[in-house]
Amino acid sequence: GQNIDQPTEMTATEGAIVQINCTYQTSGFNGLFWYQQHAGEAPTFLSYNVLDGLEEKGRFSSFLSRSKGYSYLLLKELQMKDSASYLCAVRRANNLFFGTGTRLTVIP
Amino acid sequence: SAVISQKPSRDICQRGTSLTIQCQVDSQVTMMFWYRQQPGQSLTLIATANQGSEATYESGFVIDKFPISRPNLTFSTLTVSNLSPEDSSIYLCSGGQGASLEQYFGPGTRLTVT
Repeated sequence: GQNIDQPTEMTATEGAIVQINCTYQTSGFNGLFWYQQHAGEAPTFLSYNVLDGLEEKGRFSSFLSRSKGYSYLLLKELQMKDSASYLCAVRRANNLFFGTGTRLTVIP
Repeated sequence: SAVISQKPSRDICQRGTSLTIQCQVDSQVTMMFWYRQQPGQSLTLIATANQGSEATYESGFVIDKFPISRPNLTFSTLTVSNLSPEDSSIYLCSGGQGASLEQYFGPGTRLTVT
């Protein structure tokens, strides 16, 4: 089985930096994904980590520590359009198992 | 990346009936999956759709309730059978490709059971 935890809600100010944490416990691990989901829309891929360390992609970065069962998504220079849910997902074999999701609200 | 379409986009069905959802991808993906997302919640994997053979179901989901077909690499259907109000949810399909099996999601089908 798997346990994947994220904070339910976060609020941050436009232009700021926010870090969304994800902790997991799983039997079998083949990587960790972050997805963004705007209300009423499908999830879209943000990042994938399979090795420890930081992956940077523009304003978004994702970090993984396999020994600690921990990942975070870092969003810089926040924009209003970044208001969305952010989903952490653990890959086990060929399948993805999603965390509870974090609803981020960006305020002016 | 893959572009994935689903139909219908939404439906309202009566208790006891069934709904079949179609999923089409625009390129040959290695894997196809079906998820359920209840309002305000995250995604739960229902099953992996296997080409030409029975789907692989996750705990809590059974073939009698959620029959799945995948006749070729780019098309799959999910049927939600014997509907009850508890089946009201959004159903999403996804396709996975590449070494990481990065998944691309369809727009979802919003099902309401009355």
